[in-house]
Amino acid sequence: AQKVTQAQTEISVVEKEDVTLDCVYETRDTTYYLFWYKQPPSGELVFLIRRNSFDEQNEISGRYSWNFQKSTSSFNFTITASQVVDSAVYFCALKTSYDKVIFGPGTSLSVIP
Amino acid sequence: NAGVTQTPKFRVLKTGQSMTLLCAQDMNHEYMYWYRQDPGMGLRLIHYSVGEGTTAKGEVPDGYNVSRLKKQNFLLGLESAAPSQTSVYFCASRGGQVQETQYFGPGTRLLVL
Repeated sequence: AQKVTQAQTEISVVEKEDVTLDCVYETRDTTYYLFWYKQPPSGELVFLIRRNSFDEQNEISGRYSWNFQKSTSSFNFTITASQVVDSAVYFCALKTSYDKVIFGPGTSLSVIP
Repeated sequence: NAGVTQTPKFRVLKTGQSMTLLCAQDMNHEYMYWYRQDPGMGLRLIHYSVGEGTTAKGEVPDGYNVSRLKKQNFLLGLESAAPSQTSVYFCASRGGQVQETQYFGPGTRLLVL
């Protein structure tokens, strides 16, 4: 069975703090893809990153970074020097060899000025 | 290039009424999906389509029907709406390669009284 867990339901940080959003996944497939999406208060879903199971390199994009560790089945997302515009719900998702994408329940991040 | 669009943006129904949600994409994508989003539950897959004329059930298909008569359109129907179908509905599409990312529409907010 495939499953995505985001144990942190809500996180609040003060602006400029670093914050890490956790994502743990379960799958028996050896080939799979992991995603992060952002849902700001306006409601749309914005794609942030895709990582395939063969590529464990960490990714950095500006203030965003992602740590993929197959040994712990985790794909964590860190925002450095958080800003108010980072306030959103963040979803981690898993796609295996089938056509479906499984989403985690989401983590609501509030950045307080 | 509008990406993925959804019609309508918001709708109020009475219990027992029927309606159809329209999703349209102009990216020539093979795969299309309908999700519902409820608080604390992330996105759950209702139905999906792997190509024109084909549909398949997702995680929560009961009470919904779909049709993909044209490649660019994916319709979601509620034959007899129930209050439990109050939700935000998202459509998504992606290309035919297994690694391709899903892109989402802006969502339809449905309230069933």
